[in-house]
Amino acid sequence: DQQVKQNSPSLSVQEGRISILNCDYTNSMFDYFLWYKKYPAEGPTFLISISSIKDKNEDGRFTVFLNKSAKHLSLHIVPSQPGDSAVYFCAAGGRGSNYKLTFGKGTLLTVNP
Amino acid sequence: DGGITQSPKYLFRKEGQNVTLSCEQNLNHDAMYWYRQDPGQGLRLIYYSQIVNDFQKGDIAEGYSVSREKKESFPLTVTSAQKNPTAFYLCASSIEAAIPGLAGGRTDTQYFGPGTRLTVL
Repeated sequence: DQQVKQNSPSLSVQEGRISILNCDYTNSMFDYFLWYKKYPAEGPTFLISISSIKDKNEDGRFTVFLNKSAKHLSLHIVPSQPGDSAVYFCAAGGRGSNYKLTFGKGTLLTVNP
Repeated sequence: DGGITQSPKYLFRKEGQNVTLSCEQNLNHDAMYWYRQDPGQGLRLIYYSQIVNDFQKGDIAEGYSVSREKKESFPLTVTSAQKNPTAFYLCASSIEAAIPGLAGGRTDTQYFGPGTRLTVL
């Protein structure tokens, strides 16, 4: 049973436009959410996180939005750059997972010049 | 500089052999984790350790073993009992791991090493 779902395996956007990556979760006990970026054959790099007491967190070009009632979060990248091309993983943790992280399967973002 | 190191980057072994993957961190983190990534899959937790000399099974622990004799080190052994050992293995650490059921528990951000690609021939 997948508790964290990234329903889009891939996304393609033009350089300079907005990239929106989506993530849904089923466990209402999750209270901490993270996004990681991963290049092939490398370890994931932490991008941004949000706790359940907030609905938005911003860091430079990256903004994460959390909609608790819909159990949905999204990552916005503005403006998108070719170097953003990577796999993006959503992860969630909290009492529902004994505070361990549960990862989605990832979305491959391709930013075209 | 601080970080998590995994060695080697690529590892080849013959079927039936045990192999140990190294993971070292100098971030002074209490908690360490091992994940496995397969194509088209997310990261699946193999084992984790919240403190020295203690570790727990994750979601896919069968065929693996770990030890945590030092805070800085969390080696993973892939045994011959692991049916599909070829994969990309990732080690991670976090400042501390909350104890389930303990008041004030929380989830901490995990930071990852560069990974080891294991291929069993």
